[in-house]
Amino acid sequence: GQNIDQPTEMTATEGAIVQINCTYQTSGFNGLFWYQQHAGEAPTFLSYNVLDGLEEKGRFSSFLSRSKGYSYLLLKELQMKDSASYLCAVRDGDYKLSFGAGTTVTVRA
Amino acid sequence: TAGITQAPTSQILAAGRSMTLRCTQDMRHNAMYWYRQDLGLGLRLIHYSNTAGTTGKGEVPDGYSVSRANTDDFPLTLASAVPSQTSVYFCASSDSKGGTDTQYFGPGTRLTVL
Repeated sequence: GQNIDQPTEMTATEGAIVQINCTYQTSGFNGLFWYQQHAGEAPTFLSYNVLDGLEEKGRFSSFLSRSKGYSYLLLKELQMKDSASYLCAVRDGDYKLSFGAGTTVTVRA
Repeated sequence: TAGITQAPTSQILAAGRSMTLRCTQDMRHNAMYWYRQDLGLGLRLIHYSNTAGTTGKGEVPDGYSVSRANTDDFPLTLASAVPSQTSVYFCASSDSKGGTDTQYFGPGTRLTVL
């Protein structure tokens, strides 16, 4: 099976920066995805990494190190609307997505 | 565009009854997926279809069946529901013929089996 670990909860202040870590052990690797999911809604795509390094997309950045089985999602200039669950997902050698349990981020004023 | 639609939005079902969850996409994606999401466990793949006419089993397929008669529709059937199938069900689709093959999700169906 696949093993994807991320923290359960994180809390941060509006305007601050939060880093959500994800470690994985999978059978093969074909890319890592981050999704955002607001309570009661569907997951929405945030970012994709397949090569080592940093991908920046506005206030959100995602980093990947394949040799370490490690990724992080960086949320900058936090806004109240960023309060959500963030899902790390790894595409394995069979091209199937395995998801972590998600990290609930709470942004406080 | 509508993207992916799912029906019903929510349902309460008596144990032992059958039910079909509907999923339709208008993006002409070749691949479609069914996941269930349970608190603390994350999304788990039930069944998938890489193209119309083919289906495959995911991580938790027992008690569920699917069909893929055409590109747009991918219904999920519970033949005889049990309380452990209480969950939120998400359908997703992706275009695996190129690019990142990102999966896009429908709004979900909240199912309660009593």
